Amino acid sequence: SQQGEEDPQALSIQEGENATMNCSYKTSINNLQWYRQNSGRGLVHLILIRSNEREKHSGRLRVTLDTSKKSSSLLITASRAADTASYFCTSTSGTYKYIFGTGTRLKVLA
Amino acid sequence: EADIYQTPRYLVIGTGKKITLECSQTMGHDKMYWYQQDPGMELHLIHYSYGVNSTEKGDLSSESTVSRIRTEHFPLTLESARPSHTSQYLCASSDPQGGATNEKLFFGSGTQLSVL
Repeated sequence: SQQGEEDPQALSIQEGENATMNCSYKTSINNLQWYRQNSGRGLVHLILIRSNEREKHSGRLRVTLDTSKKSSSLLITASRAADTASYFCTSTSGTYKYIFGTGTRLKVLA
Repeated sequence: EADIYQTPRYLVIGTGKKITLECSQTMGHDKMYWYQQDPGMELHLIHYSYGVNSTEKGDLSSESTVSRIRTEHFPLTLESARPSHTSQYLCASSDPQGGATNEKLFFGSGTQLSVL
């Protein structure tokens, strides 16, 4: 099993600004994934980056992976009020148990 | 759009009652999971299954039990609900069709359980 630890715990920004959140993990991985959770709902998959990739883009999302530091970052550009949510990272390595941290609570102010 | 469904969406029940939280997926995924999450807190894996007749306990001890008689169905049961069971319960599924490096989770909308 893997542990994703997100940082910061909470982030508040103005609409239009960029939001950056970080994730650290403990052991080698197959991939690292980011999920979003709106209040009181289930998680939605955002983006997956494989262990042999260093950067990946999807719309306004940019994910980087540094396997030497066992860390990843998620950048949301030109944030919108609708981006307000909690963001979680998780990873797998051989087992199929996905372990999540406490997430980063992002609040985008209009 | 994920095809994984949880019912009920909300449940308020008295102490001592037996409850079953339903989870069904139409994607044919072999792997299914139950997570427990308190407000603003991390998700705790409480049960998982690799396929029919396979169930395993997760990393967080839970008094609940699960069954996997059909691929699409993974219900969670509490024999005697207590206030300490009040939480959100999230069901998920995954399938490594694209290989382990591409596998991802699909979540239901969750069941918010309140035990009085």
